[in-house]
Amino acid sequence: QKEVEQDPGPLSVPEGAIVSLNCTYSNSAFQYFMWYRQYSRKGPELLMYTYSSGNKEDGRFTAQVDKSSKYISLFIRDSQPSDSATYLCAMRAYNFNKFYFGSGTKLNVKP
Amino acid sequence: EAGVAQSPRYKIIEKRQSVAFWCNPISGHATLYWYQQILGQGPKLLIQFQNNGVVDDSQLPKDRFSAERLKGVDSTLKIQPAKLEDSAVYLCASSSGGNNLGNTIYFGEGSWLTVV
Repeated sequence: QKEVEQDPGPLSVPEGAIVSLNCTYSNSAFQYFMWYRQYSRKGPELLMYTYSSGNKEDGRFTAQVDKSSKYISLFIRDSQPSDSATYLCAMRAYNFNKFYFGSGTKLNVKP
Repeated sequence: EAGVAQSPRYKIIEKRQSVAFWCNPISGHATLYWYQQILGQGPKLLIQFQNNGVVDDSQLPKDRFSAERLKGVDSTLKIQPAKLEDSAVYLCASSSGGNNLGNTIYFGEGSWLTVV
């Protein structure tokens, strides 16, 4: 079983839709959770960073962590064609400087 | 603040040739990572340095891959001899290290390798 599972998609939505991207994990020691956006031919760019459970909002993006279910989500409101990219989730435990990545979900927002 | 710098951005080589990639991390970041990302997959850790010491190289194919981080700053990843399956993007990343809340990982733009 992989440490972090992420549906590879692709996920195709019309412009303006609400997008939900998700990851599940198996290690209950994970406490720091990140979402990265990766455009084609670019490196991953940090989008959201959360600690422990709860929600964090930044503009059109909301990151949600449910530690009891070992489940994290990224919501994108009013999705735009410029949001078309691959989204990677990542996480790490408190005492470790090693990051675990999902395989990425490819999102396509159609105009 | 300058980001993680990598070069070259693109490289095409024939199998059995050698190639080297260079990375300069964010200033002050003690931890440097090299990842391999194959198209459609997540990044796979090849090697992790803490300052100039190796923390984890368990997934580095040591018969053909080598990496060094002299003086604890910039780093070089070498592949010799290259195989077709080495075609991937090689991502360098850095983090400040430690257990503080702000410790997260930042990536460079990647070095795209095609082996023909």
